[in-house]
Amino acid sequence: ILNVEQSPQSLHVQEGDSTNFTCSFPSSNFYALHWYRWETAKSPEALFVMTLNGDEKKKGRISATLNTKEGYSYLYIKGSQPEDSATYLCASHNAGNMLTFGGGTRLMVKP
Amino acid sequence: EPEVTQTPSHQVTQMGQEVILRCVPISNHLYFYWYRQILGQKVEFLVSFYNNEISEKSEIFDDQFSVERPDGSNFTLKIRSTKLEDSAMYFCASSENRAPLPNEQFFGPGTRLTVL
Repeated sequence: ILNVEQSPQSLHVQEGDSTNFTCSFPSSNFYALHWYRWETAKSPEALFVMTLNGDEKKKGRISATLNTKEGYSYLYIKGSQPEDSATYLCASHNAGNMLTFGGGTRLMVKP
Repeated sequence: EPEVTQTPSHQVTQMGQEVILRCVPISNHLYFYWYRQILGQKVEFLVSFYNNEISEKSEIFDDQFSVERPDGSNFTLKIRSTKLEDSAMYFCASSENRAPLPNEQFFGPGTRLTVL
């Protein structure tokens, strides 16, 4: 059974703060690491799919890095805004086509 | 932008009843998935489906579950005799590719199933 862990579970920041969260995943049989942004009552929105060790991806103020050798990924948000408030999920794709999800990091940005 | 849709958004049923959860995947996608999240727990994989057959399933996906693509657009999850522990948010997803290509999976908004 694969274990994907995310930390912290929840995070409260002030508007304008930069923040980051961690996802750890099994490095064996690794295909890809997925990050999703999920707001309540909406579909989880795909942010990044990362495959290569050392990968860095960026979308606006959000960026992510990947270390497949040690099995971790960081998600960074620069200058957090209230609209960034959501749960951020990572999911590891190690074999087959199934994704194994972490527990998520719930981010709340106070204006 | 194309999206995965799911109906209903919320389903309430009595224990022992059958339920069918419906999904319309993105039209040019070939690979379909069901996941679920029990309240307070992680999102868990149930099943993947390709070319009209199950390609993988988890231990959760026992004989009370079945999936079907009854026509060119819908993808359904049936639970034959619901139990209290089936109460969860059920997510459908679809992807264009599968492993070893990165299979970016696009998720629907979920159906919240409540079993009483």
